[in-house]
Amino acid sequence: KAGVTQTPRYLIKTRGQQVTLSCSPISGHRSVSWYQQTPGQGLQFLFEYFSETQRNKGNFPGRFSGRQFSNSRSEMNVSTLELGDSALYLCASSQETGNTIYFGEGSWLTVV
Amino acid sequence: GEDVEQSLFLSVREGDSSVINCTYTDSSSTYLYWYKQEPGAGLQLLTYIFSNMDMKQDQRLTVLLNKKDKHLSLRIADTQTGDSAIYFCAESIGYSGAGSYQLTFGKGTKLSVIP
Repeated sequence: KAGVTQTPRYLIKTRGQQVTLSCSPISGHRSVSWYQQTPGQGLQFLFEYFSETQRNKGNFPGRFSGRQFSNSRSEMNVSTLELGDSALYLCASSQETGNTIYFGEGSWLTVV
Repeated sequence: GEDVEQSLFLSVREGDSSVINCTYTDSSSTYLYWYKQEPGAGLQLLTYIFSNMDMKQDQRLTVLLNKKDKHLSLRIADTQTGDSAIYFCAESIGYSGAGSYQLTFGKGTKLSVIP
């Protein structure tokens, strides 16, 4: 069974640009959540989706958004990139609510 | 508010046992997790424990949960150099009314295994 797949793995963007990151959950998993990891703040929750609905959102500005498609694949978007958005963005999936939660390898975003 | 705390560093000799400790604050946590992160990689789920359990054993891993003290520990028996990594403790907190949850992580404990 394939794990959580995130694309792209690495990307470099310029301040002011926008970026879209993609996540394919484990087959059969309907819950997808996103986390940001930085050296200073550690791992922080961005949002969680279940059956195409955002059910929960962390304390991030509106520049951070996401969506989930009918096949459970999810995307997150960051608009008007700032230097501080440089981070590892991790996607996680689970079958139901909050039991075994598996993470992908992450997307490394560098903003210059 | 939620807060998960872990010591930042642990150094052990190969073959010894490692014990990584974690304290959490939210008594409504349903599941508690241990994840491993190697350099440049994502988070690997090592094990988890449901909040009504005291102990869980999985091969070389033993998780102990003291709910009264909100203390969680991960013991790795016969620690190997391949166990060198950062270990994160996380609690799962439900988002009331929506059936959702979110993980709150500690800062991670860097385990160094000395050959």
